[in-house]
Amino acid sequence: GQNIDQPTEMTATEGAIVQINCTYQTSGFNGLFWYQQHAGEAPTFLSYNVLDGLEEKGRFSSFLSRSKGYSYLLLKELQMKDSASYLCAALDSNYQLIWGAGTKLIIKP
Amino acid sequence: DAMVIQNPRYQVTQFGKPVTLSCSQTLNHNVMYWYQQKSSQAPKLLFHYYDKDFNNEADTPDNFQSRRPNTSFCFLDIRSPGLGDAAMYLCATSRDIEGNQPQHFGDGTRLSIL
Repeated sequence: GQNIDQPTEMTATEGAIVQINCTYQTSGFNGLFWYQQHAGEAPTFLSYNVLDGLEEKGRFSSFLSRSKGYSYLLLKELQMKDSASYLCAALDSNYQLIWGAGTKLIIKP
Repeated sequence: DAMVIQNPRYQVTQFGKPVTLSCSQTLNHNVMYWYQQKSSQAPKLLFHYYDKDFNNEADTPDNFQSRRPNTSFCFLDIRSPGLGDAAMYLCATSRDIEGNQPQHFGDGTRLSIL
């Protein structure tokens, strides 16, 4: 079966760095997305990786290892507004998105 | 600004009473999706349209139907809502199905069943 695993909840301190991990098992692979979702709101697109390596976008970076079926989202200089759920989603061979349940990130002052 | 708009933001209906949720987009995207999301769970794809081609997920209950009368609008009809259908319903669009096209979401409609 197809599956995405990510931690349910993480806590970090304002100004610090946090890494949210995601492992995936899919039938084929056409890339991996990260979305941010604030409570009661819709997901918003953060990043897309299809090749191995690190993609940096300001305070947020996303890493992919296809051989390991592994990705992480790295958030630097954490701000209170970064408190949200972060969803990992992989595109399978049929270009269907397989979603994780999300990691709830709690930022403490 | 180009966007995906869902109405209403909050919908309350009675058990068994049909309800329709609407979604419109100004992005001129080919693909429109309907997801159901319950608290702390992954979004669950109900169906999607690629242009006028309707694609139903195998495990989507018959109680859920959809219409896409034109490129801009898509509707979700729940014929006889049960208590288990209380959830956030998300509409999303993408330019195409293949490749690295991210999905753009509306703000969602939170459905409550009395």
